[in-house]
Amino acid sequence: ETGVTQTPRHLVMGMTNKKSLKCEQHLGHNAMYWYKQSAKKPLELMFVYSLEERVENNSVPSRFSPECPNSSHLFLHLHTLQPEDSALYLCASSHPGSPGAGNTIYFGEGSWLTVV
Amino acid sequence: GQQLNQSPQSMFIQEGEDVSMNCTSSSIFNTWLWYKQDPGEGPVLLIALYKAGELTSNGRLTAQFGITRKDSFLNISASIPSDVGIYFCAGPGNQFYFGTGTSLTVIP
Repeated sequence: ETGVTQTPRHLVMGMTNKKSLKCEQHLGHNAMYWYKQSAKKPLELMFVYSLEERVENNSVPSRFSPECPNSSHLFLHLHTLQPEDSALYLCASSHPGSPGAGNTIYFGEGSWLTVV
Repeated sequence: GQQLNQSPQSMFIQEGEDVSMNCTSSSIFNTWLWYKQDPGEGPVLLIALYKAGELTSNGRLTAQFGITRKDSFLNISASIPSDVGIYFCAGPGNQFYFGTGTSLTVIP
């Protein structure tokens, strides 16, 4: 139990579907992240929210839409995805601001997404 | 941006053997983090290092923060089958930077 909970753990969706991934953290952090992890590739940062404001969007396609309603919850809305979007999507949280000495990032268990 | 180079990329060892892996950076870090990721799961924090030269243990795991602040080492002693997984190093800068991972296979 890392204090970061993701649902669903597994999701299969068609290319015309709309679905959402949910993340909740119980660590009192104010920064939350979405990462994409594809097979045999490094972690790819998708979105960063600090104090509920988006501070980083690493040129992610618009078919991925994040939402951060408060400091404990983060969503990733998915629509018209492509098969190459199939991957493990990881949510994480940390203390806010620029990560510095003493800061640590904690991950959820991940949501396995398969686009068919 | 900062890059973390992790080696080796993969290891196949016999149960009971010791394991050593390292991570190097092109820039200085003030914190080094080591994670383990089981198949289909998220990375779990193993050890956090906050001071150059620091040596920290967590059970059979020992990690060191290099004195130059550009590297870190993770050692696993007397490996067991459940040590199987991918080990990542990470360091915080403007964002969190991650190594490419070391895949560990333990042969019973």
